[in-house]
Amino acid sequence: AQTVTQSQPEMSVQEAETVTLSCTYDTSESDYYLFWYKQPPSRQMILVIRQEAYKQQNATENRFSVNFQKAAKSFSLKISDSQLGDAAMYFCAYRKAGGGSNYKLTFGKGTLLTVNP
Amino acid sequence: DVKVTQSSRYLVKRTGEKVFLECVQDMDHENMFWYRQDPGLGLRLIYFSYDVKMKEKGDIPEGYSVSREKKERFSLILESASTNQTSMYLCASSRPGSGSLHFGNGTRLTVT
Repeated sequence: AQTVTQSQPEMSVQEAETVTLSCTYDTSESDYYLFWYKQPPSRQMILVIRQEAYKQQNATENRFSVNFQKAAKSFSLKISDSQLGDAAMYFCAYRKAGGGSNYKLTFGKGTLLTVNP
Repeated sequence: DVKVTQSSRYLVKRTGEKVFLECVQDMDHENMFWYRQDPGLGLRLIYFSYDVKMKEKGDIPEGYSVSREKKERFSLILESASTNQTSMYLCASSRPGSGSLHFGNGTRLTVT
């Protein structure tokens, strides 16, 4: 079974600084998807960024970027110029490529990010 | 924008009651999911459905069942609620492709 590990239960960052959240995963698949989700205190879970394993280029979305290391099975999230609104629980998630039952996502336990003014 | 609506934000039930959690999505998504979220445990998949009337067990299906009679609606049923089912329940949907999930606001269920 696939597992997703987030080794940092909590992180903090100063406003305007950069922070990196870690995620590792275990899989024997060669094609899969990786995700970072954000859950602010209002608790609506929203997608931050997505990476397809077959793409070597790291995904970026504005201030959010990933460092995808396929051989190391590592998928870290970098938040640049941190803002107070970035404070949230962040979840890393994995799913196999393909359809049907492969659509289910496996989540890590989350990292709680605090942004200090 | 995709909207996933969960019928209740907060719910309090007694041990032994039959509980229905309803979820509706408005974007014609094939896939729908029920996750449970507990502190320190992240999100754990209870059941999911990749087509109408299709369902598949997730990682923690014991004590739960589901129903998907229509594409837009996915119901989670606790046949006989127990205190260890006190939790946050998140419904999500996705369409074919990357399968990015769209989540509802969650239902915080307390079983006393």
